[in-house]
Amino acid sequence: GENVGLHLPTLSVQEGDNSIINCAYSNSASDYFIWYKQESGKGPQFIIDIRSNMDKRQGQRVTVLLNKTVKHLSLQIAATQPGDSAVYFCAENIEGSNYKLTFGKGTLLTVNP
Amino acid sequence: NAGVTQTPKFRVLKTGQSMTLLCAQDMNHEYMYWYRQDPGMGLRLIHYSVGEGTTAKGEVPDGYNVSRLKKQNFLLGLESAAPSQTSVYFCASSYLGQGNSPLHFGNGTRLTVT
Repeated sequence: GENVGLHLPTLSVQEGDNSIINCAYSNSASDYFIWYKQESGKGPQFIIDIRSNMDKRQGQRVTVLLNKTVKHLSLQIAATQPGDSAVYFCAENIEGSNYKLTFGKGTLLTVNP
Repeated sequence: NAGVTQTPKFRVLKTGQSMTLLCAQDMNHEYMYWYRQDPGMGLRLIHYSVGEGTTAKGEVPDGYNVSRLKKQNFLLGLESAAPSQTSVYFCASSYLGQGNSPLHFGNGTRLTVT
């Protein structure tokens, strides 16, 4: 949305480069993690998810890495394209709960042609 | 397959007015949610529903009411709008609960209360 990008961490990359977006989560009891992409004026779009019994999961051009020791999640985008420009945010869900999804504030990714 | 559809896309209200935001999903999902998104903050859950005829409070329910009379629709009501309710509202649905399946979002309703 038009105000979502204000005061967000930003990452600027060149087209074709790989991007890495990081997320620190807060609760060691979280067991399900999701990455969303939000383009200006649109709703969040699901990218990829991972459970706490995994440390890596791959999708099409995207990889999510989970480090439970330091409570860190990252999203890697290969061969970044201008269409990847958006706000990316992670979400964590506390184990045993179906209604306690916590969203991060997001990172603004800008891809320069 | 339209996914999650929200109406209206934009609305301006005066303080004290009421309105209803409409959400429809065509994925046969049991779970539906209303979130608000404000600058500098993550999405916050207002109310949710685990199935037709059910509703429950989320993190920030005050000033809002909801209804889920049909499985595919989830309505969010503001009985007496306040400037603090100026926000972007997103409806979402999921096949399973939030701990087991990702949410599918609509494109939002941008509400301004003057």
